[in-house]
Amino acid sequence: SAVISQKPSRDICQRGTSLTIQCQVDSQVTMMFWYRQQPGQSLTLIATANQGSEATYESGFVIDKFPISRPNLTFSTLTVSNMSPEDSSIYLCSVVRRNYEQYFGPGTRLTVT
Amino acid sequence: AQSVAQPEDQVNVAEGNPLTVKCTYSVSGNPYLFWYVQYPNRGLQFLLKYITGDNLVKGSYGFEAEFNKSQTSFHLKKPSALVSDSALYFCAVSTTGGTGTASKLTFGTGTRLQVTL
Repeated sequence: SAVISQKPSRDICQRGTSLTIQCQVDSQVTMMFWYRQQPGQSLTLIATANQGSEATYESGFVIDKFPISRPNLTFSTLTVSNMSPEDSSIYLCSVVRRNYEQYFGPGTRLTVT
Repeated sequence: AQSVAQPEDQVNVAEGNPLTVKCTYSVSGNPYLFWYVQYPNRGLQFLLKYITGDNLVKGSYGFEAEFNKSQTSFHLKKPSALVSDSALYFCAVSTTGGTGTASKLTFGTGTRLQVTL
């Protein structure tokens, strides 16, 4: 498995502000993923974070809104910019381990008021 | 494009009875299939996967799943349900495993399993 931590675990933010979520993994990984889980819904992939290159965003997600950093092989950040209530979600990071198994962090629960 | 369908929003089972949570998928290539469980206020936990080989795969907590290529299904099963199995279950698919864009998972909408005494 993998030990993945996220900070903060939850936050309540005001409309128009930004929040940066941190994801730390216990060992080096090539790729990290960021997902969003809106209330009562499934998980949707936001982007793939590669070390040393730009993140790859999925359809419907843009870098200006969700900038991602990947400074090394164990750490990544996702920023939710200019937040609106529609951004209220759980944000999760994940990594792929051996044998194709993907493991998720505990998530960051964001509420935008 | 790949997709996953979980036709049941909720499944209710009495403790000790067998349970089945249904999942069907659609991919253009060979499917790599996964089940995850999400307990309240906790992250997503990996249960089991099908990559290749035996159609019946066994995973954590006594769960198993059967891959059926002709029916494009990957139903989750457990012979005897426990109250502690009550949680939200997600089926997910990718077209190939490993690193790279092929590791992108597409999730179903989730099925809430309620096990009662």
